[in-house]
Amino acid sequence: GAGVSQSPSNKVTEKGKDVELRCDPISGHTALYWYRQSLGQGLEFLIYFQGNSAPDKSGLPSDRFSAERTGGSVSTLTIQRTQQEDSAVYLCASSHGTANIQYFGAGTRLSVL
Amino acid sequence: KNEVEQSPQNLTAQEGEFITINCSYSVGISALHWLQQHPGGGIVSLFMLSSGKKKHGRLIATINIQEKHSSLHITASHPRDSAVYICAVRSGGQNFVFGPGTRLSVLP
Repeated sequence: GAGVSQSPSNKVTEKGKDVELRCDPISGHTALYWYRQSLGQGLEFLIYFQGNSAPDKSGLPSDRFSAERTGGSVSTLTIQRTQQEDSAVYLCASSHGTANIQYFGAGTRLSVL
Repeated sequence: KNEVEQSPQNLTAQEGEFITINCSYSVGISALHWLQQHPGGGIVSLFMLSSGKKKHGRLIATINIQEKHSSLHITASHPRDSAVYICAVRSGGQNFVFGPGTRLSVLP
């Protein structure tokens, strides 16, 4: 597609369940970012991938969060044993290299009951 | 003190007015990013800059590295400019630190 695609757009889960969120970046973009925006809060950096380099995981809030990027394209953000405080909109962005503007997906709204 | 601060927090303007949104940061940076978040939640990147000034249509972004300050200007504002404008800085690695945002409402 022409833009960054995220799925699902909405996810409701029960506390303690695992969830997977998917991001399809713009074709050819080497950099991919995951962010989180909690209700009424600002954006928070989670993790960054650039090409085949080791990802920058410095923003992941706990070891329940992990992400991978297969083949330098699609990325999956996994949250294990979800907690209510994980409820947020999870946003993915991609860019052509790190010096260029990022293109954002529409986000996945996660609700943990 | 937050690493990235924005002012004003909220701004209401009449259509046609010239608007300025400010961003101040406390760390050395390699790049600064201005984002626009629409009422529906979608985010659009407006500018990424590390020095000087950039212009796109009615939008102008400037940065003063020595003063650790950036401004976003909107000329001839329009109700469709109503959104939250977010400043983000990259100081080390690829970790972006985001400002709290400025909520702009442009009235017809």
